[in-house]
Amino acid sequence: SQTIHQWPATLVQPVGSPLSLECTVEGTSNPNLYWYRQAAGRGLQLLFYSVGIGQISSEVPQNLSASRPQDRQFILSSKKLLLSDSGFYLCAWSVKWDEQYFGPGTRLTVT
Amino acid sequence: GQNIDQPTEMTATEGAIVQINCTYQTSGFNGLFWYQQHAGEAPTFLSYNVLDGLEEKGRFSSFLSRSKGYSYLLLKELQMKDSASYLCAVSGSARQLTFGSGTQLTVLP
Repeated sequence: SQTIHQWPATLVQPVGSPLSLECTVEGTSNPNLYWYRQAAGRGLQLLFYSVGIGQISSEVPQNLSASRPQDRQFILSSKKLLLSDSGFYLCAWSVKWDEQYFGPGTRLTVT
Repeated sequence: GQNIDQPTEMTATEGAIVQINCTYQTSGFNGLFWYQQHAGEAPTFLSYNVLDGLEEKGRFSSFLSRSKGYSYLLLKELQMKDSASYLCAVSGSARQLTFGSGTQLTVLP
């Protein structure tokens, strides 16, 4: 069966510090991968998606970036965090464009 | 662009039936999804509709009318554990999902 992992689960970072969140998927090959952010009490905002290794599409211009160095690994990064980057970051995978399955999420607080 | 509307909050009683509506406007349509999200947790997939009509899955059913840009999620025999946020999401012409802001359902004893 398929499993998706995210780490860390929670993170508190000062403004201006770098960020690296990692997501890995097990039990499937060549999945679509996604990064979402959810602000408190809000819906999910798609940040990036990837249909293959090295292929990244950005949905929202911001100070975040994403990379897919391996088929089942998706990384979200920032060089300098802003207060507005606080939120619940969710990684998800899907077989092609079918239903998406979410990881447990990372709760990021920028102070 | 895409626009998705759903009520912010709903309250219902244990054992009752509740219907959560979702209306959408999209450029292209490749399906509508419903997700359940408990507080502090990740969303979990509930249902998928791409053709008009009703899809039933246990206590949960989802309906779609493409001509009206309308869907609803029907929850029967409500249980306390059904208290959660329910997210409507639409796949448009670009195939990515656009999520609504969610409907917070509170089930009362």
